[in-house]
Amino acid sequence: KAGVTQTPRYLIKTRGQQVTLSCSPISGHRSVSWYQQTPGQGLQFLFEYFSETQRNKGNFPGRFSGRQFSNSRSEMNVSTLELGDSALYLCASSLRQDFNEQFFGPGTRLTVL
Amino acid sequence: GDSVTQMEGPVTLSEEAFLTINCTYTATGYPSLFWYVQYPGEGLQLLLKATKADDKGSNKGFEATYRKETTSFHLEKGSVQVSDSAVYFCALATPSGSARQLTFGSGTQLTVLP
Repeated sequence: KAGVTQTPRYLIKTRGQQVTLSCSPISGHRSVSWYQQTPGQGLQFLFEYFSETQRNKGNFPGRFSGRQFSNSRSEMNVSTLELGDSALYLCASSLRQDFNEQFFGPGTRLTVL
Repeated sequence: GDSVTQMEGPVTLSEEAFLTINCTYTATGYPSLFWYVQYPGEGLQLLLKATKADDKGSNKGFEATYRKETTSFHLEKGSVQVSDSAVYFCALATPSGSARQLTFGSGTQLTVLP
């Protein structure tokens, strides 16, 4: 069974631009969560989607948004990029919403110049 | 709010040494507890978990026991290998309800020398 895939793996953008990251969960998984990982703040929860609905959102500004499609694939978008948005963005999927078996993708490394 | 406090790193050990990485948590209700491991350039892998008090999670020689009385979930391994070098994260998941998310500790970098 294929794992969680994230595209692209690396991305370089400049301040003010916007970016879209993609996540394909494990087949059959309906819950997708996104996390931001930085050296200073560690791993922080962005949002979680289940059956195309955002079920929970972390403490991030409105520039960060996401969506989930009917095939459970998810995208996250960051508009008006700032230098501080440089991070590893991790996607995780699980069969249900109970988090007892959450599987992470390799992440997308975003660098904002 | 919920929080996880992890032992500060980095930790450097010789091969076959005993490993302990301390983790304590603050949470409302009865969270599930996890240890994740991150190898260089990769995402997180679930190492072990425990869903209720006194549960012991174990995998690949690693163990951790959910201690409700001390709100702890310390990671241990009796004999570490060079291949165990990675960053280890303790995490908790809030129980059922609207606030479903993983809350992570700051991570502990482990380096095992041959």
